[in-house]
Amino acid sequence: GESVGLHLPTLSVQEGDNSIINCAYSNSASDYFIWYKQESGKGPQFIIDIRSNMDKRQGQRVTVLLNKTVKHLSLQIAATQPGDSAVYFCAEYTTNRDDKIIFGKGTRLHILP
Amino acid sequence: DTAVSQTPKYLVTQMGNDKSIKCEQNLGHDTMYWYKQDSKKFLKIMFSYNNKELIINETVPNRFSPKSPDKAHLNLHINSLELGDSAVYFCASSGGGRGQFFGPGTRLTVL
Repeated sequence: GESVGLHLPTLSVQEGDNSIINCAYSNSASDYFIWYKQESGKGPQFIIDIRSNMDKRQGQRVTVLLNKTVKHLSLQIAATQPGDSAVYFCAEYTTNRDDKIIFGKGTRLHILP
Repeated sequence: DTAVSQTPKYLVTQMGNDKSIKCEQNLGHDTMYWYKQDSKKFLKIMFSYNNKELIINETVPNRFSPKSPDKAHLNLHINSLELGDSAVYFCASSGGGRGQFFGPGTRLTVL
């Protein structure tokens, strides 16, 4: 069954502010956690991932934090821009599971002007 | 150049009809997937093929039949379409591991 889920279905953030999208997971055996961005009318696009033995990983304007104690994952977007409007999915990947990624429910990020 | 392409982008059809969706990737990947995304944006894997061999076959009605003529193509044929089949179907490909590239999706509407 599904092993990842999101706390909030919709998040509204003022342009220029930081966004934090949260995700809970249940599979302690996951090797990687991944964030995808899906813009309207498009397919999901890989943003960043984090290996399960790491606590933090930074990309360009994005940071993913992993708290294995409480099985929580978050995606932080710095200085949110209109182009960040999308649905964000967390997903988990376990090696040797036929390359299957299990997606959680998405969070829609609205950018307020 | 489009990495993963799908046709058609929109498909409107009557219940009971048979339809196909085509997918092609030019990334040289060995693994291809089909996902179904429902109206609540929930994304669920249906099938995966690795080098033309079926690897993942989730609990999907046997009205859905994937076909992979070569490792760059994975088509999805759906028989006897039902209202509940209405969704957006995404094709994806991967070179192995967790990095999957998704196509633009095919919105299927069954009337």
